[in-house]
Parts: sequence; C-alpha cells; structure tokens
Amino acid sequence: GAVVSQHPSWVICKSGTSVKIECRSLDFQATTMFWYRQFPKKSLMLMATSNEGSKATYEQGVEKDKFLINHASLTLSTLTVTSAHPEDSSFYICSAIGGGAKDTQYFGPGTRLTVL
Amino acid sequence: AQRVTQPEKLLSVFKGAPVELKCNYSYSGSPELFWYVQYSRQRLQLLLRHISRESIKGFTADLNKGETSFHLKKPFAQEEDSAMYYCAIRNSGNTPLVFGKGTRLSVIA
Repeated sequence: GAVVSQHPSWVICKSGTSVKIECRSLDFQATTMFWYRQFPKKSLMLMATSNEGSKATYEQGVEKDKFLINHASLTLSTLTVTSAHPEDSSFYICSAIGGGAKDTQYFGPGTRLTVL
Repeated sequence: AQRVTQPEKLLSVFKGAPVELKCNYSYSGSPELFWYVQYSRQRLQLLLRHISRESIKGFTADLNKGETSFHLKKPFAQEEDSAMYYCAIRNSGNTPLVFGKGTRLSVIA
C-alpha cells in the first residue's frame, strides 16, 4: 500500500528557533497533502492544504507566516514552524492523497515537537 | 459547516461482546464518511469508508442519512481491537477530512 513518511519523528528545540518537518510520499505521487495538528487527547485539527506548485491554503486561525508550508514536488511537502514557542509544542501529522485508491488519504506517522 | 460528533471518549467492553462506536455528523450536501483507526504507537489508518460498503476486520458501518449517523459496529470484540477510533467526513475529491474527537476502545479479556 501507499506509504507516507515524516522526518523527524520527534524534535526538541529552544524557543525562538525554527524547525522544519518533512512529509514524503514514498511510492506514489501526491498532488495534495494536508497538515494536521493533534493536541494531547484531542482530535486532529486541519492546519492547511498543500498543493504541489502552488501556495498552501490555511485554515482560519492558523498563522501562515508562522507555519510555512512548501510543496515543491509531487512527493515532498515541508512544514516549517518559525520562531517556535512552547505553545507550538504538539504532534504534527501530514497526509497525502494518491496511491492505489486515488482519493484515499494516507497518513504519516507524525512528528512530535517540543519547544523548551 | 461540517461537524463530526463522537459522544464517547472511552468505551470499554469485554472480549466477545458486541461493540458500537457512535458517530453523528452535520453536513449540507452528500458527504463521504470514514472510520480511521490508530493502534498504539502506530499511524492513523483507514478502517472503512461508507461508499465501499465492505466489512474490515469484522467491522461494519452503515450510513443513516435520516439520523445523520455512521456508527461503527462489530458483533464480537477482540483484544486486538483496542485502539483509538476516529470518525471523519469530507466532500468528495481532494478535500481534507474533518475528524471527530475520537473514541478509545478498550477490550477487556
């Protein structure tokens, strides 16, 4: 089946630094990827929709200058958390559409970000 | 606006007992509905979707448009079914999923 990877799986950084998270579709091309955020014991909250070659579409309340999304190729989307603060600590999950069943969403394993 | 409600945060059942995880939705139109499962320390994975009308791992879910529900059922729970279950909704096509808050199923031996 289709596989989506994320790197890193976890990261700890100091407040004020920037962190980049990669999301890759390993064996299929994904024209659309989504970024979600999951708080402890809460559901997944959609942050943005990332389309290859175009600007990401952000959900209401998500700061586009803080969460920079780049979808430079059909297999890679990146999320950069700029000037991270402790409140940005969370579990970030990406998903990609594609693979065997064209509109099935495949999820990455997630990246745990801890900002000190 | 799309909304998915899973009223139970935690559901505990004994092995071999029937299971029903509730999901209600609000949506104007004809949505696609899904159940995703997340086992311990694993990623989210698709369990089933209403348009395929198939049974996966013994689970079934019927879309009831009148009651706007998409409850997940299994006649005999197994210990390996213990996991977090999320109901999700979306428009057709390449649109994002909207998730419910999830229900943790715990199957007791």
